Parts: sequence; structure tokens; C-alpha cells
Amino acid sequence: DAKTTQPPSMDCAEGRAANLPCNHSTISGNEYVYWYRQIHSQGPQYIIHGLKNNETNEMASLIITEDRKSSTLILPHATLRDTAVYYCIVGNTGTASKLTFGTGTRLQVTL
Amino acid sequence: EPEVTQTPSHQVTQMGQEVILRCVPISNHLYFYWYRQILGQKVEFLVSFYNNEISEKSEIFDDQFSVERPDGSNFTLKIRSTKLEDSAMYFCASQGGIYEQYFGPGTRLTVT
Repeated sequence: DAKTTQPPSMDCAEGRAANLPCNHSTISGNEYVYWYRQIHSQGPQYIIHGLKNNETNEMASLIITEDRKSSTLILPHATLRDTAVYYCIVGNTGTASKLTFGTGTRLQVTL
Repeated sequence: EPEVTQTPSHQVTQMGQEVILRCVPISNHLYFYWYRQILGQKVEFLVSFYNNEISEKSEIFDDQFSVERPDGSNFTLKIRSTKLEDSAMYFCASQGGIYEQYFGPGTRLTVT
């Protein structure tokens, strides 16, 4: 699986958009970009995934560059409850495919 | 909304004892996983399971570990002879489609 690089920490004011970057320059053509988050010590929570097109769901938007070497997760209106560690994971789709977690970005949302 | 459940939430055991961690995946999901997270470290993949057999396992998942789906609802992780370094949060996950995995709240295992 391709390796990802994320900043270790970021701050965001409540109500503002949080933009979390991820570099995955060695991504291969059939690998997806997944984003999960972990609030405190809870189980990781799926946020969104994408292959090459930008994606949006009720939680977030995912912007993938045209060369697919980087992506940005956007939380449009961050709240205190969005404070968590956010993981960008690159891997093959498909069932029984393991997730390889890195160290992620610790997002702190403040008042 | 359906969710993955895990029991117990916290297990304390003595070194050398056997432990069984239990998970109830989301109904109708067919793919199951165990991950662990040592305090302050990354979430690590242990094993994936489908159709009553292991699909993939990591090097952490040695002969001391085993998984089982004893009935139609439970998915268990057994550690035969626990070591101090097995102390960690253990997360179960299940998958129905081909993309997202749904994680349980975890079991904190403390080996003394």
C-alpha cells in the first residue's frame, strides 16, 4: 500500500472550514484514498473515500488532485465534536482489505 | 443505526492467562477484522476473516492468536497465553460493502 504523509497537528476555529492535507505521491492507479477519524480512544470512524473525482457526503468533502498525488479532506463547518485524529489511508478497494493506519493529523477545534 | 459491539469494554488478566475478546459485527456483514492500538501508538491490523477462514494476517498475529466465528453473530479473538506487550485496545471491524469498515468501541486489555 502507498505511504501517506500528513501534518501531525492542526487547529481550527469552530464554525470555520477545516482543511486537512495528505500526500500520497506513490499511489497506484487502482488505489483509493480513504479518510477515517478517531475521537479520543474510540474506534476509528469512516468519513469518506475517493478514487480520482472529488467526493462529498454528509460529513465532509474530499478533493483529490488531478495527478492523485495528494488530497484534502474538508470539514465545512468544524465543531468541537470534530476534534479527533484524522487518518488518510491509501489502499485497494475490496473486501477483506486491511487498513494501514499512519500517525494521522490531530485536529483541535477551538472556540 | 446498526453498530459493531464489543465485550468486555475492559479486561484485566494476568500474564500467561488466556483471554477471549468478543465482537458482534453488523448484521449481514460478511467481512471481519481485528486491529489493536497500543497506548500512544498507531492502529495496527491483526487479521481479516471471511467465509470462516482467515483472509490475511499480520506478523503480529502469531500462534498465540486465533479467531473464530462460533455462531452467526459473534466474532472472537483469543490470545492463548497473554504477555505484557499484549496490553492494548483491541478493535473489531466489520464490512458489508467494498469500501468502508465499521469499527466497534474497542476492548481495553490490560495484562499484569
